[in-house]
Amino acid sequence: DSGVTQTPKHLITATGQRVTLRCSPRSGDLSVYWYQQSLDQGLQFLIQYYNGEERAKGNILERFSAQQFPDLHSELNLSSLELGDSALYFCASSVGGRTVTDTQYFGPGTRLTVL
Amino acid sequence: SQQGEEDPQALSIQEGENATMNCSYKTSINNLQWYRQNSGRGLVHLILIRSNEREKHSGRLRVTLDTSKKSSSLLITASRAADTASYFCVASDSWGKLQFGAGTQVVVTP
Repeated sequence: DSGVTQTPKHLITATGQRVTLRCSPRSGDLSVYWYQQSLDQGLQFLIQYYNGEERAKGNILERFSAQQFPDLHSELNLSSLELGDSALYFCASSVGGRTVTDTQYFGPGTRLTVL
Repeated sequence: SQQGEEDPQALSIQEGENATMNCSYKTSINNLQWYRQNSGRGLVHLILIRSNEREKHSGRLRVTLDTSKKSSSLLITASRAADTASYFCVASDSWGKLQFGAGTQVVVTP
């Protein structure tokens, strides 16, 4: 158990819908990262937040957005969902904000299925 | 797109044997990390090697880094059935951007 929690575990929805994935980092960690893992694209870094502010951006679509709240939990919002958005979405957390040195601890993931 | 490439894509060995997998990357990096992922679950951090290091050990794991060839290798010695998983290398550049390899699937049979 990494200490990172994600809800829900599974999500099934239809194309065009909007969903919100939630992540709670390990106690004391200030950074939250979001990743998408799909069969055809592999594991892709989406976005990082550090202490409430966006720190780094990866391959995140404009239809996706995220935020980190004062209590440091984070939400990833996915809108206008397409079939290709079906994937495992992982959240990770680290103590600091420097990905170059920080170990990231991954949550169990949310499996999103878009029908 | 994936910056890192891992070789082999899949590896099947017997318990007690060593497993070696390689990773190549394209950009200059600050460090490289290896993670393990059991089927459908989150990634578990194994080891981090910095760009100024050439070799690092952690238990049964040995990682090498050759920045001139932009490659790294992960060796698991005396493998166990519990080592069955996918292994990913993750390169981090100076901006903190992470690039994941496609992963090597390792199956260790008793």
